[in-house]
Amino acid sequence: DTAVSQTPKYLVTQMGNDKSIKCEQNLGHDTMYWYKQDSKKFLKIMFSYNNKELIINETVPNRFSPKSPDKAHLNLHINSLELGDSAVYFCASSQDGAGWEEQYFGPGTRLTVT
Amino acid sequence: AQSVTQLGSHVSVSEGALVLLRCNYSSSVPPYLFWYVQYPNQGLQLLLKYTSAATLVKGINGFEAEFKKSETSFHLTKPSAHMSDAAEYFCAVSDPINTDKLIFGTGTRLQVFP
Repeated sequence: DTAVSQTPKYLVTQMGNDKSIKCEQNLGHDTMYWYKQDSKKFLKIMFSYNNKELIINETVPNRFSPKSPDKAHLNLHINSLELGDSAVYFCASSQDGAGWEEQYFGPGTRLTVT
Repeated sequence: AQSVTQLGSHVSVSEGALVLLRCNYSSSVPPYLFWYVQYPNQGLQLLLKYTSAATLVKGINGFEAEFKKSETSFHLTKPSAHMSDAAEYFCAVSDPINTDKLIFGTGTRLQVFP
C-alpha cells in the first residue's frame, strides 16, 4: 500500500490555465504538507495543515490555494499558471507535526508550464 | 533564522570508498536535524535524525551521522559506498518556532563509480 500518493505524476499545461494536484495519505497522520522543488533541487515548504487547519503558509502567491477536505487529503489548486510555477511538487505527512517527527513524502508531481 | 549549508553540491566516490557528506546548521537553540535521501524520480526518504539523544545517530543502509554542537555540524558518513547509494542527499533542520517546518539544505548529489 502506498503511504502518501499524489496524482497526477506528470502535468503539462499552458500558461494561464488552472490545475489541481491531489494528495492522499493512508498513515493516519494529522499533519500534511506541500513542498516545491525547483530545477536546482532546492526544496521549500509551501503549506502545512494539521487536522484540516492551516498551520504554515509561506510567502506563496495567492494563486496557490490548498484545500483539506479531511485529514487524509490535501489538495493544491493553482490558478493562472505561470512559467515560474514549473517545478516538482511534493506532498508529505507526519504524525502530529512535531519538530522531531519523520515526514513521509509522496512521489512528487512534475508540473511543466509552457 | 534557521539555515542549513551543505558543502559540495556534487560528491563522487568509488565503490567501497568512504562517503562523507557535509552539513552545517545555524541555530540559537538545540535543533532537530535530519538527513533525507532522494533517489531519481522519487520522493524523499528519511535516512536518520537527531533529536537530542545520542550524538552519533545510526540510520538505514549503513549511514550514520554525528551531531557536533561545537562545530554546528551534522555530517553524514558511510564506511563503504555501494552503487545503490547514488542519489541526492538533503540535510534539514526543524524551525524552532514553527517546529513542523523543515528547512532544507540545497542538497548533495552523490555519484558512485565502479
